[in-house]
Amino acid sequence: QKEVEQDPGPLSVPEGAIVSLNCTYSNSAFQYFMWYRQYSRKGPELLMYTYSSGNKEDGRFTAQVDKSSKYISLFIRDSQPSDSATYLCAMSGTSNDYKLSFGAGTTVTVRA
Amino acid sequence: GAVVSQHPSRVICKSGTSVKIECRSLDFQATTMFWYRQFPKQSLMLMATSNEGSKATYEQGVEKDKFLINHASLTLSTLTVTSAHPEDSSFYICSASEGGIDEQFFGPGTRLTVL
Repeated sequence: QKEVEQDPGPLSVPEGAIVSLNCTYSNSAFQYFMWYRQYSRKGPELLMYTYSSGNKEDGRFTAQVDKSSKYISLFIRDSQPSDSATYLCAMSGTSNDYKLSFGAGTTVTVRA
Repeated sequence: GAVVSQHPSRVICKSGTSVKIECRSLDFQATTMFWYRQFPKQSLMLMATSNEGSKATYEQGVEKDKFLINHASLTLSTLTVTSAHPEDSSFYICSASEGGIDEQFFGPGTRLTVL
């Protein structure tokens, strides 16, 4: 069993739709949860960072963490064609060693 | 945000040759740098963690004699793939951290193709 599971998709939605992405994990020690966006042939860029359980909102993006279920989500409202990318979840157990465990990434296409 | 560069962005080499990839933090000093590899449609897999002036820490299953990492300064780390083989073909990505776990910035990646 992989430490972090993420459905690779692909996921195709019309412009303006809500994109829903999620990851499950097995390591209960994870406390730091991140979502990265990666465009084709580019390095990942940090979108959202959450510590422990709860919700965090930043513009059109909302991240949710449910540690009891070992489940995290990312929602993108009013999706735009420019949101088309691969979204990777990542997590870590401590804030000191910076070692991240990544999901496989979900490829999202927003159709104009 | 902070900028991390990688050079080259793409390299094609013959089997048996060595390839060096540079990772630079352009506008900050990176206490720690990381090297990942990513196969198509797969996740980023951490290969090693390096701190300036000390030996790199390799993840289980990564051959330290094949993937040589040098972190000579707070802004530069290099990864050398020695005696490259076709199975080493992959996308290699570095990241650099200036402090917190949310302050890990990724380079644009290097596409290595070994013929």
